[in-house]
Amino acid sequence: AQRVTQPEKLLSVFKGAPVELKCNYSYSGSPELFWYVQYSRQRLQLLLRHISRESIKGFTADLNKGETSFHLKKPFAQEEDSAMYYCALSGPASGSRLTFGEGTQLTVNP
Amino acid sequence: NAGVTQTPKFRVLKTGQSMTLLCAQDMNHEYMYWYRQDPGMGLRLIHYSVGEGTTAKGEVPDGYNVSRLKKQNFLLGLESAAPSQTSVYFCASSYRGRIGYTFGSGTRLTVV
Repeated sequence: AQRVTQPEKLLSVFKGAPVELKCNYSYSGSPELFWYVQYSRQRLQLLLRHISRESIKGFTADLNKGETSFHLKKPFAQEEDSAMYYCALSGPASGSRLTFGEGTQLTVNP
Repeated sequence: NAGVTQTPKFRVLKTGQSMTLLCAQDMNHEYMYWYRQDPGMGLRLIHYSVGEGTTAKGEVPDGYNVSRLKKQNFLLGLESAAPSQTSVYFCASSYRGRIGYTFGSGTRLTVV
C-alpha cells in the first residue's frame, strides 16, 4: 500500500532562517511526488512536482529513492511562506489518485 | 477561466438531513475527485471519477454517494448527514492525473 508521512504537524522558524519540511513515502515502483501548499483558508495549489526539477518561490525538493524521501527546502524563509504544506504521491499502481500526507503547518515569525 | 468551482461554500446541516455538493470544472478534464480535509489527517479521498458516467470508491466512501452525469460536473451527496461528516470538502480535477490536480476553494460543512 502507498503511504505518505509528514512527521512534523507544526514547524516554526524565523524569517531568513532555512526551512525543511520532511516527507517520507512508501510505494512499490516509481512514484510521482508533489508538494501542494494551502494559504490560510484558500484552495490547495500545486507548488512542486519532482519530475519538473524546478524551483518555485525559492523552494526546491529532491526525490531520494534510497531514503524514500521528498523533503521540501528553502534557504531563507519569508513570512509569506506561512501556510499548510502537503506532500502527495501518485503512481501507476494507484492510477491517477493522489495520496496525501497529514500536512505540516509552517509558521514564519518576523 | 473559472477552473474548479464548488457550491455551496458553507453549509450547516442537522443530523439526518441530506444535501448535495456540486463541483464544476471548465478545463475539459477527464478525472475528478472528492476529498475531505480534517485536522491532523490530511486529505482523504472519498470518491473519484475517470470519465463521464463512471465513479469509484476512494479511501473513505461510507456515507457518501457521487454522480458524474456530465463531464464537467461531479456531485457529492450525503443522504443522511452525521456529525462525523463535519469537514472541509475539496473537489479537484486533472488531465488523467499525471500533471497535478486543480482544486476548488472548498465547502465547509458542519453537521450538528
